[in-house]
This record gives sequence, structure tokens and C-alpha cells, in this order.
Amino acid sequence: SQQGEEDPQALSIQEGENATMNCSYKTSINNLQWYRQNSGRGLVHLILIRSNEREKHSGRLRVTLDTSKKSSSLLITASRAADTASYFCASRDKIIQGAQKLVFGQGTRLTINP
Amino acid sequence: DARVTQTPRHKVTEMGQEVTMRCQPILGHNTVFWYRQTMMQGLELLAYFRNRAPLDDSGMPKDRFSAEMPDATLATLKIQPSEPRDSAVYFCASGLSETGLETQYFGPGTRLLVL
Repeated sequence: SQQGEEDPQALSIQEGENATMNCSYKTSINNLQWYRQNSGRGLVHLILIRSNEREKHSGRLRVTLDTSKKSSSLLITASRAADTASYFCASRDKIIQGAQKLVFGQGTRLTINP
Repeated sequence: DARVTQTPRHKVTEMGQEVTMRCQPILGHNTVFWYRQTMMQGLELLAYFRNRAPLDDSGMPKDRFSAEMPDATLATLKIQPSEPRDSAVYFCASGLSETGLETQYFGPGTRLLVL
């Protein structure tokens, strides 16, 4: 079953604007990750936030985590055309023998208009 | 620049045929994951391995799908017999499980079309 749910499903903004995507999950987590997928490509890891962190930055990315609400948000500042992609959150479902199983949401399709 | 490789990149086959997809994980990674992505279902985990041992294949239709790791540099996903509903993009990902905070590195995927 899908644990992560992204909101909105699709987002279209002008270049230079900020883009915010949200993710909700259902069970307790150790960490939450965000991935990007360009059309026709595999997913690329962007950022990981641990359950004891509330905010994390990486370049133009800012991720927040609210474990009380079981939600996370990804903010991309000063968007560029190259940011056009689908963005997925992934939460850890369980660990079996040291390997963590991630559950991915349906993704947010972000389009940056020049 | 280490990356996960997958072959073939595209596969068109007829219903009933066997399909074999291959994945070479990043050298040194000890976990391998197989995912299937469709517009309707999104990204689904089919099976995963740690140190070549299968850990969880509950997401995989057992009657026609099988996943193996003959050695540390090769993972395979087979479908026999294939059906049109198997049409999807199949991704392999690898990771290094040490801290429980591992990230996954995805291959470019195999785009499968079953006619």
C-alpha cells in the first residue's frame, strides 16, 4: 500500500518562483527522503531528513518534517526550467535484516514555465 | 561516476514470451531493489535483496515473476509468461545498508511493452 501521498499532484509555476510540495505518511518513520524523476529517467535522491530533525537545507532545497502531523514539505526556491520533473517522497516502511524498505508516494509533477 | 546499469533499456515482446531484465548494482552496494512504475499504480516495490539474499518479494506476482542475484554484480528479474498488464517501466536500485539511513540509487529503467 502507498504510504506517502504527495500534494498537489501537479504544479505549474513561472521560472524564478518558489515551488512547495507536501507529503503525508501513515506510520512512524526513522527518516523521510525526497527523490526527483526527470521524464524517462530513474529516480535521483535529493535529500534525507531524519525523524529527529525539523528542517534541512541543501542548496535551493528546503525540507521540513512534522512528525506530529506525519507530514513533510519540499520547497524549491528560485525555480529553474531544469527543475521540471516529478518529485516523490519516500518513507521507510520497515527494516528486514538491515535493509530498509521505502514506500514511495504517487509524486508531484512540477512544471517550470520559462 | 558509479551508477546502476540496466539492460535492456527497451523491450517489446508478445504475450506469453519470457522476459529477462538485468541489473548491475553499484560496486560495493549490498542491497538491491526491483520496482515497477505505471501511471495507474505509481512506483511499486517488487522484491529486494541484501547481500544477495532475497528479503521480501511480497510485492511480486509469484506465479510468473522471479528475481535472483546470481552474484554480487548481477540481479535479474524474469517474467514467464509475460502478459500485456506487465507493460511498465522496471527500475532497479541499489544501496548500502549500514546505518538504516541508506538512500537508493536508481538505474535508468527497462521500458517493457507486452503486446
